[in-house]
Amino acid sequence: AQTVTQSQPEMSVQEAETVTLSCTYDTSESDYYLFWYKQPPSRQMILVIRQEAYKQQNATENRFSVNFQKAAKSFSLKISDSQLGDAAMYFCAYRSGVGAQKLVFGQGTRLTINP
Amino acid sequence: KAGVTQTPRYLIKTRGQQVTLSCSPISGHRSVSWYQQTPGQGLQFLFEYFSETQRNKGNFPGRFSGRQFSNSRSEMNVSTLELGDSALYLCASSPTGVGNSPLHFGNGTRLTVT
Repeated sequence: AQTVTQSQPEMSVQEAETVTLSCTYDTSESDYYLFWYKQPPSRQMILVIRQEAYKQQNATENRFSVNFQKAAKSFSLKISDSQLGDAAMYFCAYRSGVGAQKLVFGQGTRLTINP
Repeated sequence: KAGVTQTPRYLIKTRGQQVTLSCSPISGHRSVSWYQQTPGQGLQFLFEYFSETQRNKGNFPGRFSGRQFSNSRSEMNVSTLELGDSALYLCASSPTGVGNSPLHFGNGTRLTVT
């Protein structure tokens, strides 16, 4: 079974600075997809960014980018120019490319933005 | 386009009772998934429906069941509630539920079992 590990339960960063959230996963599959979701206090999970395993190029969405290291099974999220609205729980998630399509989530990282 | 709507937002039930949670997906989305979120276990997959058929099921007891209607709306039922069922239940919809098709989540239903 696939597992996702987020080793940083909490992180904090000064507003306008850059922060990197770590995520590693364990799988024997070659076809899969990776996602980062944020969950603010409103409870709604919001997609931040996604990455297809077959793509070597790292995904980027505005201030959010990933460092996808397939061999190392690492999928870190970099947030540039941190804003107060970025404060939330961040979850890394894995989805197999075949068979079961459920998302397997990590335990989450709580990100605090200091003004 | 309206987002995923979950009702009710909050529920308080007593042990032994049963509960039904409702989820209306984004228009056009045919896949609906349910997840349980607790501080101890994190986010755990319950089940996924696509075109009224359960396509995938997580490792939960048979007290947890669900269904999907022809309009893609979904309900989740928990019977004989236990204290450990207290959690945030999240519903998510997706056009297909596979590949890089992301899940769009609702605000969840907070269930408290006393």
